[in-house]
Amino acid sequence: DADVTQTPRNRITKTGKRIMLECSQTKGHDRMYWYRQDPGLGLRLIYYSFDVKDINKGEISDGYSVSRQAQAKFSLSLESAIPNQTALYFCATSDFTGFGGYTFGSGTRLTVV
Amino acid sequence: GQNIDQPTEMTATEGAIVQINCTYQTSGFNGLFWYQQHAGEAPTFLSYNVLDGLEEKGRFSSFLSRSKGYSYLLLKELQMKDSASYLCAVSSGTYKYIFGTGTRLKVLA
Repeated sequence: DADVTQTPRNRITKTGKRIMLECSQTKGHDRMYWYRQDPGLGLRLIYYSFDVKDINKGEISDGYSVSRQAQAKFSLSLESAIPNQTALYFCATSDFTGFGGYTFGSGTRLTVV
Repeated sequence: GQNIDQPTEMTATEGAIVQINCTYQTSGFNGLFWYQQHAGEAPTFLSYNVLDGLEEKGRFSSFLSRSKGYSYLLLKELQMKDSASYLCAVSSGTYKYIFGTGTRLKVLA
């Protein structure tokens, strides 16, 4: 089993719909992150959480919300999806030092039509 | 502002050596990371530098100069499977990353 699991892997949704992307990890890491990746823009941080009671906005949090249900689970919601939220979304984890780098999930390819 | 610059694309020949450069300007610095990302897949961790100098790991080496805000990733004995994007990322004062847009490397036979 993968260390960081994202579901779904692919999703097509309509404008205005609410959608949730889920992430679970078996690394035992406290820190979890949500990024989106767009061609030419690289990876941009949406939200991050350093423990269950800690939630922080990243550089592009508008239109998104998150929930840290447990140490191992961190979900991302799009309250009312719009076409420019079409992107590849990655969940990632790290230990408290960060020295070992991030472990990324396999990604969710989201298309909003 | 915070900024990371990398070349957009590079091409090299199988068996050769290639150097991918990264320059950065960030408000804090806790280390510089290199990731490899094959198309449509997740980035995977390659290397970490926090002190100036060269870190070698098999065919891959990474160099850091903090005073110059500069790093490079050196790939030796290139193989076809090295065709991928290489992402430079800096960990800032709050221990979250800023990523560059990545360098797409094409390895030709």
